Amino acid sequence: DADVTQTPRNRITKTGKRIMLECSQTKGHDRMYWYRQDPGLGLRLIYYSFDVKDINKGEISDGYSVSRQAQAKFSLSLESAIPNQTALYFCATSDPNDTEAFFGQGTRLTVV
Amino acid sequence: AQTVTQSQPEMSVQEAETVTLSCTYDTSESNYYLFWYKQPPSRQMILVIRQEAYKQQNATENRFSVNFQKAAKSFSLKISDSQLGDTAMYFCAFMKLRNNDMRFGAGTRLTVKP
Repeated sequence: DADVTQTPRNRITKTGKRIMLECSQTKGHDRMYWYRQDPGLGLRLIYYSFDVKDINKGEISDGYSVSRQAQAKFSLSLESAIPNQTALYFCATSDPNDTEAFFGQGTRLTVV
Repeated sequence: AQTVTQSQPEMSVQEAETVTLSCTYDTSESNYYLFWYKQPPSRQMILVIRQEAYKQQNATENRFSVNFQKAAKSFSLKISDSQLGDTAMYFCAFMKLRNNDMRFGAGTRLTVKP
């Protein structure tokens, strides 16, 4: 089984709909992250969480919210999806010594 | 803020040849990590190699090695004996030690030709 699991893997949704992307990890790490990947821009940080009670905005948090339900679970929500949120979304977790990030398989989200 | 620049959007190399991917970064931090990640068509992010900024010795992992020039803020990746399976998008990334803030470059798409 993968160390970091994202669901769904692919999703098409309509403008204005609320959508949640889920992430769970079995690494036992405290730190979790959400990134979005766009062509020509690389990965950009949306939100990160250092533990269940510590959530922080990243570079591009507008239009997104997160919930850290447990150490192993970190979900990303788009309250009202818009077409420019069409992207590949990655969840990641990092090891206690902060020297490596482990990524999920990505969720390709299309907003039409 | 940290920025990471990969100036080569696309590169190609013949199988068995050597290729170097460039990366520069900008930071005021003295302690940090640098990474190269590979993203094949499966879109999984795979760690290729990492470098700790306080170590002068360049990191190597089998056919992959880096040329880390701290003063120049340069971190290039050399792939020797290129294989077809090396075809992928490669991302350079910078991580601050203080808060794990990881920043990525825009990526270089590498194609290995038979």
